[in-house]
Amino acid sequence: ELKVEQNPLFLSMQEGKNYTIYCNYSTTSDRLYWYRQDPGKSLESLFVLLSNGAVKQEGRLMASLDTKARLSTLHITAAVHDLSATYFCAVDINGDSGNTPLVFGKGTRLSVIA
Amino acid sequence: KAGVTQTPRYLIKTRGQQVTLSCSPISGHRSVSWYQQTPGQGLQFLFEYFSETQRNKGNFPGRFSGRQFSNSRSEMNVSTLELGDSALYLCASSLVLAGAPYEQYFGPGTRLTVT
Repeated sequence: ELKVEQNPLFLSMQEGKNYTIYCNYSTTSDRLYWYRQDPGKSLESLFVLLSNGAVKQEGRLMASLDTKARLSTLHITAAVHDLSATYFCAVDINGDSGNTPLVFGKGTRLSVIA
Repeated sequence: KAGVTQTPRYLIKTRGQQVTLSCSPISGHRSVSWYQQTPGQGLQFLFEYFSETQRNKGNFPGRFSGRQFSNSRSEMNVSTLELGDSALYLCASSLVLAGAPYEQYFGPGTRLTVT
């Protein structure tokens, strides 16, 4: 059974600081997704990582994937208040009969304070 | 291109009743997945439909069912509602490309409250 673990689950950081969110998963997969969710809202796709060593950046967020370590990181650079949200990583597996469902981590609730 | 739409957005039901939620995928997307989100259990997969066929099913009781129509629109039904069914129900659509990974796009969700 595929398990996905994120840490930390809660993160309070000061504006301007850097931090990293970690996502570990239990089964071989080369497909990992990062989503953002604002309170009361749906999930917004941030990054799709499809191969070992993949690195993607958008603004102050950078995501990477190490399939050998079964680890993805979401790095936040010089945090600003607008980044406050819950961040989820999710993994699926491309099987012979198609894609498996997404398995989500529990999410990291990020709060950026002045 | 219009995004995934879900109706209704909010719903209040009483224990024992049943409910039907609707999802319209992005045009051209033939795969529709449903997820339940609760504070305690997080995001959990319910089922996935492709070409009117259920391809995957999560670990939920038989009270939860779904279907997909020929235009790819999907509905999910929950019968004999329980308090624990209170949740945000999210629908996601995606392309399906043979042998290729895909990205799921989520709708705004239906917030179901069972009293």
